[in-house]
Amino acid sequence: DTAVSQTPKYLVTQMGNDKSIKCEQNLGHDTMYWYKQDSKKFLKIMFSYNNKELIINETVPNRFSPKSPDKAHLNLHINSLELGDSAVYFCASSPPGRGSGNTIYFGEGSWLTVV
Amino acid sequence: LAKTTQPISMDSYEGQEVNITCSHNNIATNDYITWYQQFPSQGPRFIIQGYKTKVTNEVASLFIPADRKSSTLSLPRVSLSDTAVYYCLVGDIPNDYKLSFGAGTTVTVRA
Repeated sequence: DTAVSQTPKYLVTQMGNDKSIKCEQNLGHDTMYWYKQDSKKFLKIMFSYNNKELIINETVPNRFSPKSPDKAHLNLHINSLELGDSAVYFCASSPPGRGSGNTIYFGEGSWLTVV
Repeated sequence: LAKTTQPISMDSYEGQEVNITCSHNNIATNDYITWYQQFPSQGPRFIIQGYKTKVTNEVASLFIPADRKSSTLSLPRVSLSDTAVYYCLVGDIPNDYKLSFGAGTTVTVRA
C-alpha cells in the first residue's frame, strides 16, 4: 500500500507548457505539502494545506497553483513552465496533533525536466 | 523555525559506526528532532525522532544533550545500502507549516 502517491514520476516538457502533478494520500492525514528539491538536495517547502485550506505559500511564483479537492488530494498545476522549474517535486502529508511520533510522510517524487 | 547545520558529506566503510551531528541553536520548546533518510530517486523516509536524551530503534540511535542545541544520529555497523542523504529536521510537526530541510549529509559507505 502506497501511503503518499504522486503521478507522474517523470515528466519532460517544453518551456511555456502547462503541466500538473497529482498527489493522493491514504493515511487519513489533515495536512499536506508540496516540496521542491533542487540539484543541491535542499528540500524547500512550497505549499502547506490543512483540511483543504491553504496555510502557507512560500514565495512561490503564481504560475504554481495547488488545488486540494479533498483532504486526501493535493495537486500541483504549473503554468508557463520555465527552465528553472526543472527539479524534483515531492508531495507529503502529516497527521494531526503534535508530539512524539508525528512526522512527515513523503511521496516518491516527480522529476520534472523543462527543455 | 529552528535552522539546522550538518556536514555536507561523510565517508565510511562497511561495519563502521557513523555519527552525524546536527546543530540547531535556536530550537524551541515544542520542537522535536527528526531524522530522515533519502535514497536516490526516492522520497525522504523517517528514521528516528526524539525530544531529549537518547532514543534507539532498530535502525539508529539519536543522542540529544540537555540543552537540545544539537543532536547526533548514530548508525551502527553501516552497510553499502546505508549510502544515502540524511536530513535533520527540527520543528513542531504539524503546527510548523513552513518546515524546510537543509542540504542534508551525504553518507557514502565503501566496501
